Amino acid sequence: EIVLTQSPVTLSLSPGERATLSCRASQSVASSYLAWYQQKPGQAPRLLIYGASSRATGIPDRFSGSGSGTDFTLTISRLEPDDFAVYYCQQYGSSLLYTFGQGTKLEIK
Amino acid sequence: EVQLVESGGGLVQPGGSLRLSCAASGFTFSSHWMHWVRQGPGKGLVWVSRINNDGSSTLYADSVKGRFTISRDNAKDTLYVQMNSLRAEDTAVYYCARGSCSGGSCFVDYWGQGTLVTVSS
Repeated sequence: EIVLTQSPVTLSLSPGERATLSCRASQSVASSYLAWYQQKPGQAPRLLIYGASSRATGIPDRFSGSGSGTDFTLTISRLEPDDFAVYYCQQYGSSLLYTFGQGTKLEIK
Repeated sequence: EVQLVESGGGLVQPGGSLRLSCAASGFTFSSHWMHWVRQGPGKGLVWVSRINNDGSSTLYADSVKGRFTISRDNAKDTLYVQMNSLRAEDTAVYYCARGSCSGGSCFVDYWGQGTLVTVSS
């Protein structure tokens, strides 16, 4: 089973700054099957990025995804107050199982 | 508008059973794989199970295999999960979620608001 490790666990930044979130897989992941989600307190997750780099419908272009193999990155170019939340990466592997990373909490500095 | 509405959560004793339902609307239910994902109190997301569009193929996380059964009724646009032999560690918000594929990528794109299952004596 592929394990996804996200770093950092907590990221403290100010609005307007750039955020870089990492997701590292224990084995190579097909880029087609790597996604990123945002979750705010008391809400369901929201799909941000699929296929490692494709933005989901309605997602602003300040969100971008990149990476391949075992290392993937979610970048938020200029943070807005609404962006402070928990972010999860997820993969769908050759075993057909879906796994999530443990999450990165993006908090206001 | 895609809507997924879970129901059936509640308090159950260890060893007990519960069936969750998820009513889908706003899309062609029978065309999509569906998933259950859970989130323990203050914890991260954990994928639980998925079912293909016609119900002929199912898959489970090791933690629930043999205890949970996912199913669907495409005539009623409804997803289910039957949860047996419940344990304290099954306590979580359970989300129903829709699977989609686009351009060779597959992902979960819509989520319900979740239903809370508490396993406690």
